Amino acid sequence: GAGVSQTPSNKVTEKGKYVELRCDPISGHTALYWYRQSLGQGPEFLIYFQGTGAADDSGLPNDRFFAVRPEGSVSTLKIQRTERGDSAVYLCASSPGAWGTGGDSGANVLTFGAGSRLTVL
Amino acid sequence: AQKITQTQPGMFVQEKEAVTLDCTYDTSDQSYGLFWYKQPSSGEMIFLIYQGSYDEQNATEGRYSLNFQKARKSANLVISASQLGDSAMYFCAMREGYNNDMRFGAGTRLTVKP
Repeated sequence: GAGVSQTPSNKVTEKGKYVELRCDPISGHTALYWYRQSLGQGPEFLIYFQGTGAADDSGLPNDRFFAVRPEGSVSTLKIQRTERGDSAVYLCASSPGAWGTGGDSGANVLTFGAGSRLTVL
Repeated sequence: AQKITQTQPGMFVQEKEAVTLDCTYDTSDQSYGLFWYKQPSSGEMIFLIYQGSYDEQNATEGRYSLNFQKARKSANLVISASQLGDSAMYFCAMREGYNNDMRFGAGTRLTVKP
């Protein structure tokens, strides 16, 4: 597609439930990122994929959070046993390649989706 | 430690005037990149401008320019001829070395007054 697509745009769930958030990156973009943005704050890095593999998952807050990208395009962020503190907007972004590759690193600018707003009651 | 600091929670500017949004950063890497993104109320992060640490000239993109002062570790965004549509949150961000986590500041909410 023309941009990064995220579904659902809004998700309301109850504490303890399982949630999946989907990201469809720009076609051909090999790098995919998940960020979390709490109210009034800047986005916080969660995980980065280069192709199918999670190249950097250092931002995942705990083992309730997991993300996959099995075919190197669409990615799913999975949250188990949701807690009220998980309420936030989850942003997905993609870029043509990894940061630092190529002669012009600026060309690997992240393009963000509109986000999935998760509310845990 | 805070890597990106945006000290202005909110800013007001009159339509058609210029405004500067402040950003300071902290890194020991020689190679890094600085970015500004705009986030309107719709929520989508929109890339505005990029400055590489080795770029000698300040980056410009249309009405946006980045006032890069490397010794002071500041990367202020200047918006010229403000428009009502410029009202939004503005985030400064940095990527260091070959790290993949882009660090964002807390943002500045800009309101353009008619």
